[in-house]
This record gives sequence, C-alpha cells and structure tokens, in this order.
Amino acid sequence: DAKTTQPTSMDCAEGRAANLPCNHSTISGNEYVYWYRQIHSQGPQYIIHGLKNNETNEMASLIITEDRKSSTLILPHATLRDTAVYYCIVRNSNYQLIWGAGTKLIIKP
Amino acid sequence: DTEVTQTPKHLVMGMTNKKSLKCEQHMGHRAMYWYKQKAKKPPELMFVYSYEKLSINESVPSRFSPECPNSSLLNLHLHALQPEDSALYLCASSQPTSGNNEQYFGPGTRLTVT
Repeated sequence: DAKTTQPTSMDCAEGRAANLPCNHSTISGNEYVYWYRQIHSQGPQYIIHGLKNNETNEMASLIITEDRKSSTLILPHATLRDTAVYYCIVRNSNYQLIWGAGTKLIIKP
Repeated sequence: DTEVTQTPKHLVMGMTNKKSLKCEQHMGHRAMYWYKQKAKKPPELMFVYSYEKLSINESVPSRFSPECPNSSLLNLHLHALQPEDSALYLCASSQPTSGNNEQYFGPGTRLTVT
C-alpha cells in the first residue's frame, strides 16, 4: 500500500490561502488521494478526493501533480474554524483508507 | 440525514468489565467500520462490515468483538480490556463499492480502561 508523507505542522494567517502538501510517491495507478480533517475532539470529516485531475468543491481544491507522486490541498480563504489536523490518505484497491500522520494546521488571527 | 451517532460519548471501565459501544447510521450505507485512535495518531482500522458481514478484521485481539445486527447498527463488545486499549473509538459508514467511498465518521467514544 502507498504511504503518504506530510509536514507535522503549519501556520496560516486568517483570510489567506492555506496550502497543505503531501507526498505519495509509491501510489499506484488506481489509488485515489483523499483528504480528511479532524477538529479537536471530533470525528474526521471528509474534504475532497481525486485520482488524476485537479478537483474543487465548496471546501477546498486538490491539486495533483502529473506524475501523481504528490498533491496539495488548498483552503482558499482560511478561517479560525479551519484549525484542525489534516490527513492525506491513499485509498487502496480494497477501498481501505491508508492514513498519513497528518498536518496540524493552525490558523492565526 | 448525514449523521453517524455513537454512544456513549465517554466510557470508563475496569479490566474485568464487559461493555459495548454502539454506532448507528440512517444514510442507507452498507459498509460500516470501527477505528481506534490513540492521541496524536491517525485512526487505525479495526473492522469492516460489508452488507452486514464481517469483511475485514485487522488482526484485532479477541477481547474486541464486533457485531452488526442490521444495516443501520454496529456494536463493539468489549471484555477483559487492558489499559493500553484506552483510546478514541470511531465508527464510520460508507457505500461499499461506489467510486466515491467517502466515509462518514461519528464523534467517537472516548474509552478509558482502569
């Protein structure tokens, strides 16, 4: 199974775009990249997922490199409520989520 | 309704106790999951039920016993636990085979074994 590597922590100013990187250099061709976040003392929350193409929804954008070895989650206008641990995940062919260690994102006023 | 509910929110039990964690969803999902999460770590998959049948057991000790009475309910029966089993236990549900396997998570049960 592919594994993901993320920075342990990041800061971002409120109102600015938060860019969270993830490396998944061993990802296979049919494995999806998923992002979840976990706000303190809550269950994880789905954000977005993608296979090859860039994706955007109401929460975020996902940029996947052409070789699929890395991706970036973009929160376009971060708010204090976006402070959370963000997990970059690879979904394998058995539909299991292989979780990274997560990035603790702190949004500062 | 996109909610997964879990009860209780907190549980303290002794090593000789028997207790159960409960999870419920009404989204029509046919896959349900139990995860264990230790502090500052990502969730670890324990069990997967697909169409009410156990499809994945990630080598979990037998003191944890899952049960899926119907498509909306998932239980985790606990017996003779160890202090190191103290953790947040998360339940999730999803459509099992669709292209978007988005898992919806409950808030978790915070378990303390004394």
